This record gives sequence, C-alpha cells and structure tokens, in this order.
Amino acid sequence: GESVGLHLPTLSVQEGDNSIINCAYSNSASDYFIWYKQESGKGPQFIIDIRSNMDKRQGQRVTVLLNKTVKHLSLQIAATQPGDSAVYFCAESTTNDYKLSFGAGTTVTVRA
Amino acid sequence: TAGITQAPTSQILAAGRSMTLRCTQDMRHNAMYWYRQDLGLGLRLIHYSNTAGTTGKGEVPDGYSVSRANTDDFPLTLASAVPSQTSVYFCASSDSTGTGELFFGEGSRLTVL
Repeated sequence: GESVGLHLPTLSVQEGDNSIINCAYSNSASDYFIWYKQESGKGPQFIIDIRSNMDKRQGQRVTVLLNKTVKHLSLQIAATQPGDSAVYFCAESTTNDYKLSFGAGTTVTVRA
Repeated sequence: TAGITQAPTSQILAAGRSMTLRCTQDMRHNAMYWYRQDLGLGLRLIHYSNTAGTTGKGEVPDGYSVSRANTDDFPLTLASAVPSQTSVYFCASSDSTGTGELFFGEGSRLTVL
C-alpha cells in the first residue's frame, strides 16, 4: 500500500550545525504535509506544515521543502540545539481522506 | 490550558480483560483520533471521529471500538485485550476534518500480559 516513509531512522548532528531530515511519500494524491517532533515520553508536537500548492515554507529556525515531482519532503533545522533532540515524523493526508498517515520517524541526536 | 487529557498514563492488563482508555479535549475541536505507536512503525490510526455522533475505522481498527457521544470525549475500548495490543496510545484532535494540525495528548502506555 502507499505509505509515508523516512530515508534514515537516525541522524546525529553537531550542535550549531544545520539538520536535514528527509521523507519520501508514495501517494501522489497527497496534498497536505506536516512535520511533528516527539520528545521522549511525550506526545507529538506540531512543527510546520505545507500544502501542495507550495514548495517551501519557513518557520522559526525550520524550513519545509516539498518536491512533488519526486514525492519528497524535507525538514531543515537551522543552528541545531540540544533541545532539538527528538524523533521527527512526517505525515500526509489528502483532501478526500482527511486522516493523517505517519512515517516511521527519524531520531535526531544533537552532539555537544 | 489542558488541551488533550488522556487517562490512565499507564496500565498493565491481563489478556482477555477489557479496558477503556479515556480522552477528553477542551478545545471544542470537531475531529478526534486514536493512534497507536509501536517502535519502528510510527503512528497508526485506529479510529477517528469527524464530529460528535460519528466514528470511522482507521488503518488498524480490529480489536478496538470507540464512541463519540459528545464533542469533548472520545474513549477507546479494548473488549478483550491481547498481547499484540501492547503499545502506546495517543489521542488527538483537530479543528478541521484532518487537513490541519493535530493536537496530541501525552499518551497512555498499555501492557497486555
């Protein structure tokens, strides 16, 4: 079946460097994408979202890029901090099926 | 602001017993969801409700039931628990029919022995 997935299950980043987390999706009908951050023992928290009529959206220290041609989504975190250590999930949905489907997640570890 | 409240935080349950996980939201969101989270599998949708009085099946609904008697509450019931239902369960809500942000609770860790 179609699914949302992440390229790498783990990512180790030096504090202060930029992080890039990738996500591939296979449902060409998906028109809404969202990134969540989950810290240990907590529920997922919204980071940023993007709709299919855009290819880039920026937030505070984060940028989401969407490439619909190759069905690829990425999350860029600028100047990674220790508090950014968490599991990051991408998720997608379609206008006709309003339920989010999540990928398996990427664990980001920030090295001091 | 409470947001989404789940109870219990954790529970150990004998196989064959029934269990209801409670979920309450104070944001007056029309849509609510139950996900389970297992290592390596991410979050999988169990059941959802687009509005009070309606429910629907998600990706992994077998062995679970839900009800939505009012806007605020969305309990998840395991009628006869099995070990494969050992998981962390997350309740979520949104103020749209899913094309917007989901707000998650802190999760309920369930162990079925």
